[in-house]
This record gives sequence, structure tokens and C-alpha cells, in this order.
Amino acid sequence: EAEVAQSPRYKITEKSQAVAFWCDPISGHATLYWYRQILGQGPELLVQFQDESVVDDSQLPKDRFSAERLKGVDSTLKIQPAELGDSAMYLCASRGELAGGNNEQFFGPGTRLTVL
Amino acid sequence: GQQLNQSPQSMFIQEGEDVSMNCTSSSIFNTWLWYKQEPGEGPVLLIALYKAGELTSNGRLTAQFGITRKDSFLNISASIPSDVGIYFCAGQLNPGNTGKLIFGQGTTLQVKP
Repeated sequence: EAEVAQSPRYKITEKSQAVAFWCDPISGHATLYWYRQILGQGPELLVQFQDESVVDDSQLPKDRFSAERLKGVDSTLKIQPAELGDSAMYLCASRGELAGGNNEQFFGPGTRLTVL
Repeated sequence: GQQLNQSPQSMFIQEGEDVSMNCTSSSIFNTWLWYKQEPGEGPVLLIALYKAGELTSNGRLTAQFGITRKDSFLNISASIPSDVGIYFCAGQLNPGNTGKLIFGQGTTLQVKP
């Protein structure tokens, strides 16, 4: 069964350091999302890509966060510098383009970030 | 950020009991999704709903898209220990095909054998 891949699964870093997360969506999925999930809450969208283009990054803290999907396949989310409040689960999801506007998003296992 | 109102926040039940949880919003949604998340893992899609009034089942799970398009519920019948986890509702707020989801705060389910 096709899955969304993410790495690393866990990351511990010190504040002010740079961190990067990688996501490989389900093959053929044009839409890719990065979400942040704080412990005890639901995921919140950070950025959405359609192929290689950013569709929505209104909730991305652009002073320290950046995301790219250069070839429209895999994607990288970067934080520089990391702050204590960035500790969270970072989830990647992808969605295929099916007739009828199917909105089913499939999530990867996430990257658990701890900032010390 | 904007989130749905999901209740109850947590449930502790006996194995074999039925479970019901729901989500409400002040906004109209055109899609409702229900996910289950286990510790340290990403959410797994359980059921997707696309039409107001739609009732859909997936094994022991049944979900409905409210007539007003502002609510949805999920029922689990005859709960078993592996049902333990956090259940999230998610709604698509905007029309069109952007796919942005708004999530509830989650319902934590614990099942006592």
C-alpha cells in the first residue's frame, strides 16, 4: 500500500540551531501539505503545495520557517533558528487529484521535534 | 488558528460498549473527515463524508454529515482494546479544491478490557 514517507521520525535540537524535515508523498499525488501538531491539539496547516507551487502559506512563520518542493515531488521544511515553542509533531500529508474533488488527505508518520 | 469544537475531550469506557463523539462548527463545511491517531504516529483516515445527511460505515464505525453542514458525529459500536487512540474530526472550510482541513481538538478514547 502506498504511504507518505517522512524523516527523521525524531529530532532533538538546541534553540537557535537549524533543523530540516523531509517528506515523500504518495506517488502521483500533486498536492502536499505540511501541518504542525502541538501536543494535545489537532494539526494546523503550515503550507500547501500544488506540484512545485505554494498554494497557501498564510500560517507559515516566514521569518524562521521555509518550505520547498523544487521538482513537485518530495518536499523539505526548514526551521532556522529553532525556538523552544517549535517543539511539536510536524506532519506531512498528500492528496491525489480524483474526479469529483476528492478531499482525502493521507498523512505520514510525522517528525517529533524537541527543542531544548 | 481556527478549530472545530469536538466533544467529549476524553472517554474511558468498558470493552464492548458503544462510543459516540461529535464535532460542531459555526461555519459550513462541504467535506467532513474522521481520523484516528495513535501515540507517535500520524493520523489515519477512517471515514470521509461528502454530502449533507450522508451516513457512512466502515466496519464498526459509522459517521454522519449533519444536515446543516455544520456538524458531524462518529459512532463506534462494540468497542475493543485496539480502538484506543485519539479521534479527530476535520472539515474542509472553503469551496473549490484547495483541500485545506480544519481539525478538531481530538477525543481521547481509552478502553478497559
